[in-house]
Amino acid sequence: DAKTTQPTSMDCAEGRAANLPCNHSTISGNEYVYWYRQIHSQGPQYIIHGLKNNETNEMASLIITEDRKSSTLILPHATLRDTAVYYCIVRASGTYKYIFGTGTRLKVLA
Amino acid sequence: GAVVSQHPSWVICKSGTSVKIECRSLDFQATTMFWYRQFPKQSLMLMATSNEGSKATYEQGVEKDKFLINHASLTLSTLTVTSAHPEDSSFYICSARGDRGRNEQYFGPGTRLTVT
Repeated sequence: DAKTTQPTSMDCAEGRAANLPCNHSTISGNEYVYWYRQIHSQGPQYIIHGLKNNETNEMASLIITEDRKSSTLILPHATLRDTAVYYCIVRASGTYKYIFGTGTRLKVLA
Repeated sequence: GAVVSQHPSWVICKSGTSVKIECRSLDFQATTMFWYRQFPKQSLMLMATSNEGSKATYEQGVEKDKFLINHASLTLSTLTVTSAHPEDSSFYICSARGDRGRNEQYFGPGTRLTVT
């Protein structure tokens, strides 16, 4: 599985956009990028995923670079409830396993 | 949709006893379920992959005789921690892969196990 690298922690002001980067420089052509978040003492929550194109849903936007070596998760208007650990995961086609990295601890500040 | 439940949400047991944790997909059929373990301030570590009707596939370093996994139906997988010891105390989380061509995993709320 491709390895992902994320900053350990980030702060964001409430109401502002939170941009969470992820580096996956060894990703191959058929590997998807998934984003989850984990609020303290809960199971991870699915946010969004993509392969090549940028994606948007009601929670967030996912921007994948053209070479697919990195991506950015965007929370357009962060709220205090978005404080969590955000995980970027690369899943190889044909396997359904997730290998979690260390994630980014996002703290939204009032 | 895509709700996964776990039972119990927390359990305390004595050293040497066994504990069973249930994972259910409530509104979809899950041919594949996964079990993870998470220690405080650490990331999730995949323990095993469970396919309905077949033996689980364990990750390297995970003792299959200690962590018994059964996936008897498309909506239920169980993890039994046998002869639990204090070092088995952890947060155990299951997930289920969506059906109908959706491959993302949906996670349960987790079970906190404390072995005294």
